[in-house]
Amino acid sequence: SSELTQDPAVSVALGQTVTITCQGDSLRTYYGSWFQQKPGQAPVLVLFGENIRPSGIPDRFSGSTSGNTASLTITGAQAQDEADYYCKCRGAGDTWVFGGGTKLTVL
Amino acid sequence: QVQLVQSGAEVKKPGASVKVSCKASGYRFIGNPIHWVRQAPGQGLEWMGYVHPDNGDTKYAQKFQDRVTMTSDTSISTAYMELRRLRSDDTGMYFCTRDMGMDVWGQGTTVIVSS
Repeated sequence: SSELTQDPAVSVALGQTVTITCQGDSLRTYYGSWFQQKPGQAPVLVLFGENIRPSGIPDRFSGSTSGNTASLTITGAQAQDEADYYCKCRGAGDTWVFGGGTKLTVL
Repeated sequence: QVQLVQSGAEVKKPGASVKVSCKASGYRFIGNPIHWVRQAPGQGLEWMGYVHPDNGDTKYAQKFQDRVTMTSDTSISTAYMELRRLRSDDTGMYFCTRDMGMDVWGQGTTVIVSS
């Protein structure tokens, strides 16, 4: 199956650490990527490959993969990190698939 | 700087077609496929497919296979996505993004399908 499963919503206290997970069989074969999307804006790539951050992404964002689960960790969450987060991975037959998204609330 | 600029909002009636454009600048258009991603109101991201500007090769998500055509014009560094036989549930935001990890996205094009 090419599906990716995410928890719909997660919350974190300001300054604390939060992990958002993404499960799917394709993650056993391919690295996932993570995108942040704020209301009314296009998604922004925050992590790809084996824990690689694009230029301009703070180092409080990190990632890992174990088995069929990819994780995005925000260490010391800030108010501006409140957003929807989507994982993405290659699927079967040269297709791509996104997870359903996780709404992160920073309390 | 690297940019993808999309065409403006569209309002269409059910059964009509829509064609959205995505103009690339600041990088080599040829050699980098352009993907299209849809987002229905209040919903998540949905991959629709991609087009290779080099040769026009395409790959579509099965859901859109019979209604979508993705093309490109290398002379003006622009990719296109045409969706036919529009339905009300095609209403949403349509984004283009380049294949380099989907690191750059267009601003999105709103498509409203309503009678």
